[in-house]
Amino acid sequence: SQTIHQWPATLVQPVGSPLSLECTVEGTSNPNLYWYRQAAGRGLQLLFYSVGIGQISSEVPQNLSASRPQDRQFILSSKKLLLSDSGFYLCAWSATVGELFFGEGSRLTVL
Amino acid sequence: ILNVEQSPQSLHVQEGDSTNFTCSFPSSNFYALHWYRWETAKSPEALFVMTLNGDEKKKGRISATLNTKEGYSYLYIKGSQPEDSATYLCAFKVKLTFGTGTRLTIIP
Repeated sequence: SQTIHQWPATLVQPVGSPLSLECTVEGTSNPNLYWYRQAAGRGLQLLFYSVGIGQISSEVPQNLSASRPQDRQFILSSKKLLLSDSGFYLCAWSATVGELFFGEGSRLTVL
Repeated sequence: ILNVEQSPQSLHVQEGDSTNFTCSFPSSNFYALHWYRWETAKSPEALFVMTLNGDEKKKGRISATLNTKEGYSYLYIKGSQPEDSATYLCAFKVKLTFGTGTRLTIIP
């Protein structure tokens, strides 16, 4: 069966510090991968999605970036965090067509 | 930017009552519409994936309908129970754009 894991679960970082959130999927090949963010009081905002290794589409201009170094690994990064980057980040995967399967989420607080 | 809108934003329903809420999406270039339930302290879980105009799907007491020509989907919950309390999200599958959700609270 397929599983998805993301870490860390909780992160408190100072403004200006770097960020790395990692997500891995097991039990499937060539999944579509997604990073979403829920800011306080808002819905799920799509940040990045990837249909294959090295293929990243960015949905919202920001100081975040994503990389897919391996088929089932998706990394969300920032060189310098802003206060507005605080939120709940969710990684997800899907087959070519079909529902999303979400990771456990990472809560980021930027102070 | 695709606008996926959900209404109402929040809803309080007495246990045992039935309820429904709406997801509106662009009617052009339709591909698929997803419904998810997001319980507190958990990850969102898929309820339905709907692709055809006129689709009706059911899972237990929860059902959904789809009208792609006018760009809306309804989610119905029959005989609400406390465990139905959650945020219900719809997502429009062109890059899976989510609505802001409907937060449902069931009052025992």
